[in-house]
Amino acid sequence: GQSLEQPSEVTAVEGAIVQINCTYQTSGFYGLSWYQQHDGGAPTFLSYNALDGLEETGRFSSFLSRSDSYGYLLLQELQMKDSASYFCAVTLIPSGAGSYQLTFGKGTKLSVIP
Amino acid sequence: NAGVTQTPKFRVLKTGQSMTLLCAQDMNHEYMYWYRQDPGMGLRLIHYSVGEGTTAKGEVPDGYNVSRLKKQNFLLGLESAAPSQTSVYFCASNERATPNEKLFFGSGTQLSVL
Repeated sequence: GQSLEQPSEVTAVEGAIVQINCTYQTSGFYGLSWYQQHDGGAPTFLSYNALDGLEETGRFSSFLSRSDSYGYLLLQELQMKDSASYFCAVTLIPSGAGSYQLTFGKGTKLSVIP
Repeated sequence: NAGVTQTPKFRVLKTGQSMTLLCAQDMNHEYMYWYRQDPGMGLRLIHYSVGEGTTAKGEVPDGYNVSRLKKQNFLLGLESAAPSQTSVYFCASNERATPNEKLFFGSGTQLSVL
C-alpha cells in the first residue's frame, strides 16, 4: 500500500522560515507535489518535484530526495496569508491504461502568528 | 473563465436518499476526478475519468457511481446515502496524462447525511 507522513500542525512567526516535511512509502513513485488549502477553500497547486533537488518558486521552495523517500516544502518570509493546510501528494506510475494518480497526505495545518 | 464548477455547494440528506453532484469544467480538460475530504484524512480518490465515456475506480469507490457522458461534465451519484458519506467532496480536472500535470479543483460540496 501507499503511505505518506507529514506533521499534523506547525506554528511559525510572521517573517520567519518554516519547513514542512513529507516522507512516503509507495510503489511506482513518479513525483511529489504540494498543494495549499485555505480553510473552506479548494486545494491549489504549489509545486512538483520529479528529480532530486530543490525547486524554487518565489517564497516557496520544494525539495525531493528519492533515495530517502523524503521531501519538504520551505516557506520563506512568512505572511499571515500563508496560514493554511499544506498537502504533499505522490504521483504514481499508472497501471494498465489508467492515468497518473495522486495520493495525498493528511495535510499539515500551518498557523502563522504575529 | 470559471474553471471547475461544482453544484450544489451544500446539501443535507437523510439516510437512504439519493443525490447527484455535478462537476463542470470549461478548460477542455481530458481527465476528471472526484475526491472526498474528511477531517484528518486528507483527500481520497473516489472515481476518475480519463476521457468522455470512461470511468474508473479510485481508492474509496464503494457507495458511489459516476458518469462522464460529456467531456466537460463529471457526475457523482449516491444511490442510498449513509452517514459515513458525510464529507466534503471535491471535483478536479487536468489536461494531460503527464505526471507533473497539476490538478485544478472546484470549490467543493459540503454533504451531510443524517
